[in-house]
Amino acid sequence: AQTVTQSQPEMSVQEAETVTLSCTYDTSESDYYLFWYKQPPSRQMILVIRQEAYKQQNATENRFSVNFQKAAKSFSLKISDSQLGDAAMYFCAYRRPNFGNEKLTFGTGTRLTIIP
Amino acid sequence: DTAVSQTPKYLVTQMGNDKSIKCEQNLGHDTMYWYKQDSKKFLKIMFSYNNKELIINETVPNRFSPKSPDKAHLNLHINSLELGDSAVYFCASSKRGTRGERDTQYFGPGTRLTVL
Repeated sequence: AQTVTQSQPEMSVQEAETVTLSCTYDTSESDYYLFWYKQPPSRQMILVIRQEAYKQQNATENRFSVNFQKAAKSFSLKISDSQLGDAAMYFCAYRRPNFGNEKLTFGTGTRLTIIP
Repeated sequence: DTAVSQTPKYLVTQMGNDKSIKCEQNLGHDTMYWYKQDSKKFLKIMFSYNNKELIINETVPNRFSPKSPDKAHLNLHINSLELGDSAVYFCASSKRGTRGERDTQYFGPGTRLTVL
């Protein structure tokens, strides 16, 4: 079974600084997808970024980028120029690419605090 | 325009009661999911449906019964509610399509269920 581990229950960063959230996963598959979701206090789950394992290039979305290390099974999220609105729980998630109806397996989350 | 909606957003009820949560998506997706987020914020899949067919049933008690009347709706009925059912329940949807599209699940706002 696939597992996702987020070893940092809490992180904090000064506004405008850069922070990196860690995620590791365990799988025997060679093709899969990885996601970062953000859950602000409103509890809405918001997709931040997606990475396809067969793509070597790291995904980026504006201030958000990932460092995908397939051999190490590591998928960290870097947030640049942190803003107050980035404060949230961040969940790393894994999914098998099987017919599009496979479940997401989530990590336990990292609570990110932004210090003004 | 709401993409994935859930009703109600909050549900407070007594132990032993039966309750339902409704989910609707207007994204044209064909696969829908129910996830449970416990008090420690851990998210876990419960069910998934594809074109009204049950695909995933993840060791959930028989008291939980999903129903999908059509591709755009997935409801969750819970019988004989227990204290341990208190959680946030998320509906999500995705589309079986091209590789880039089908792997992203979009979430509803969640329903906070409190069993007294």
